Amino acid sequence: KAGVTQTPRYLIKTRGQQVTLSCSPISGHRSVSWYQQTPGQGLQFLFEYFSETQRNKGNFPGRFSGRQFSNSRSEMNVSTLELGDSALYLCASRSIGFGNTEAFFGQGTRLTVV
Amino acid sequence: DQQVKQNSPSLSVQEGRISILNCDYTNSMFDYFLWYKKYPAEGPTFLISISSIKDKNEDGRFTVFLNKSAKHLSLHIVPSQPGDSAVYFCAAPLPFGNEKLTFGTGTRLTIIP
Repeated sequence: KAGVTQTPRYLIKTRGQQVTLSCSPISGHRSVSWYQQTPGQGLQFLFEYFSETQRNKGNFPGRFSGRQFSNSRSEMNVSTLELGDSALYLCASRSIGFGNTEAFFGQGTRLTVV
Repeated sequence: DQQVKQNSPSLSVQEGRISILNCDYTNSMFDYFLWYKKYPAEGPTFLISISSIKDKNEDGRFTVFLNKSAKHLSLHIVPSQPGDSAVYFCAAPLPFGNEKLTFGTGTRLTIIP
């Protein structure tokens, strides 16, 4: 079974631009979450989508947005990029069922804003 | 408010010995905990989890212990191997199906050959 796939792996953008990151979850997983990892803040939750609906949102500005498609693939968009948005962006997918299950992470997209 | 805390940023252990990584939490609503291992520039890899109805869960060389009264959990790796060198995060989801994982700040484990 293929794991969580994130594209692209690396990205360099300039301030003020916008960027779209993509995540394909494990087949059958309908929950997709996004996290930002920075050296100073650790792993911070951005948002979670399930069945094309955003169910949970972290404490990030409105420049960060996302969506999920009917095949559970998800995209994350950051508009008006700032230098502080440079980070590793991680996507995680999870199956939804009875009881607790673990989240599986992709390899991440390393975004550098210059 | 850091609800999940890993107070040791780094730990060095001799190969073959036991590695013990600690994690404390403040939210008594947490009822499920996970440990992830992370290499640089890669996503976290799930290692082991524990539900609050248990106080121990074992999987091969990895054992997680949960002390609910102390709001403390620990990951034991024995014997430690060079490939175990990585950053380890403990994490907990909010209860009632909330998907948000709250992560600790991580502990960098270095196994000395």
